[in-house]
Amino acid sequence: SQKIEQNSEALNIQEGKTATLTCNYTNYSPAYLQWYRQDPGRGPVFLLLIRENEKEKRKERLKVTFDTTLKQSLFHITASQPADSATYLCALDVRGGADGLTFGKGTHLIIQP
Amino acid sequence: DTGVSQDPRHKITKRGQNVTFRCDPISEHNRLYWYRQTLGQGPEFLTYFQNEAQLEKSRLLSDRFSAERPKGSFSTLEIQRTEQGDSAMYLCASTGQGRDTQYFGPGTRLTVL
Repeated sequence: SQKIEQNSEALNIQEGKTATLTCNYTNYSPAYLQWYRQDPGRGPVFLLLIRENEKEKRKERLKVTFDTTLKQSLFHITASQPADSATYLCALDVRGGADGLTFGKGTHLIIQP
Repeated sequence: DTGVSQDPRHKITKRGQNVTFRCDPISEHNRLYWYRQTLGQGPEFLTYFQNEAQLEKSRLLSDRFSAERPKGSFSTLEIQRTEQGDSAMYLCASTGQGRDTQYFGPGTRLTVL
């Protein structure tokens, strides 16, 4: 069956350290993989998109990697800050799919001061 | 503000009533998507439009759900004969031509009593 898995438990990181979030998927062939941030009671906010032929993408303190052989994406936040505390969602744009994004459940990240 | 807007932000209704939500996408975006998100889950794709054409609706949750985008601009999502299980956040997203980043609105929180 098709699955997208993200760290199910909350991730606690000390301020200033690098937070690394994982997204694993099975039985998909995504054309794109995207990462979103979601704060309580709000809609997801787009962070980064990486295509199937790209290995790594960076934006300021954010970095995402995409390994289509391992079927895994890693999302890194360097020099983390308490303001980075939120839920981070991984989403696949599946080739041949219905054109909607398929989301994981998200990882709740807590940056401790 | 030129982002995606949704109205209302919150809706409380009694079981059996009909509700309608509105989404105004980013003005130059021709693709519009509806998602549902329940607590602790990622958004779940429901349907999408390219201009006024509804190209995918098989993922709507039941025949009580319907969506329209009559002039290719704003869209409405209607739920008839609401049930308590319909309580969720309903999210709208839009994107430009091509399979690209989706920009989400703030969502409509529905509570069915």
